[in-house]
Amino acid sequence: AQSVTQLDSQVPVFEEAPVELRCNYSSSVSVYLFWYVQYPNQGLQLLLKYLSGSTLVKGINGFEAEFNKSQTSFHLRKPSVHISDTAEYFCAVSLSGYSTLTFGKGTMLLVSP
Amino acid sequence: DAGVIQSPRHEVTEMGQEVTLRCKPISGHNSLFWYRQTMMRGLELLIYFNNNVPIDDSGMPEDRFSAKMPNASFSTLKIQPSEPRDSAVYFCASSLDRTEAFFGQGTRLTVV
Repeated sequence: AQSVTQLDSQVPVFEEAPVELRCNYSSSVSVYLFWYVQYPNQGLQLLLKYLSGSTLVKGINGFEAEFNKSQTSFHLRKPSVHISDTAEYFCAVSLSGYSTLTFGKGTMLLVSP
Repeated sequence: DAGVIQSPRHEVTEMGQEVTLRCKPISGHNSLFWYRQTMMRGLELLIYFNNNVPIDDSGMPEDRFSAKMPNASFSTLKIQPSEPRDSAVYFCASSLDRTEAFFGQGTRLTVV
C-alpha cells in the first residue's frame, strides 16, 4: 500500500518570502502525485498534479512542484507568497490508473505581513 | 457546472440518531468518493463508486455506516446510529478520468 508523509505540520513565513512544503511518498509501483489546497471551511482544490513526463510541474497561483523518483519526493514551492496563500496544503498519491487518493496529514501555511 | 454539491453543509444531531449526507457529483463523472476528515486521522477514504457500483468500501468504519449510489447523479452516506466519534467533515468527490478528483464543500457533522 502507498503512504504519504508531510514532514511539517505548520510552516510560518513572511509575505513575499519563498516557501517549500515537503512531501515524501512510499509505493512499490508507479504513482500519480497531487497537491491540494484547502481554505478555511472549504473543500479541497487541486493545485497541481504529476502524471508522467517532465518532473517539474507548474500549477495554479504560482505554485510548482518537482517529482524526484530517487528520493520519492514531491515538494511544493512558491518563490514569493501572499497573505492569501494562508491555507492547509495536502499532498496525495494514487496508483497509476487507479482513482482513489491517499493523503498526507497536511501542512498549514501561515503567511504573515 | 456547479461542481460537486453536498448537503447539508452543517449537521448537528444527537447520539443515536440517523444521519444522512447527500452528494450530487459533477455531471458526466463516472467515479464518486466519500472521504472523512478529522484532526486525529486526517483525510481518509470511506468508499469509492465507479459507474454507480461500490468498488472499494474497505474504509467504511463499521456496520453503522452505509453508502448508496442509486444513479449517476446522486449518492448518500448514512450513519445509523450516530456516535460522538463520528463527528468530522465528510467530503464527496467525483472524477472522470482518474487523474483529478473534484471535491465538494463538505458536510460538517457534529454528534452530541
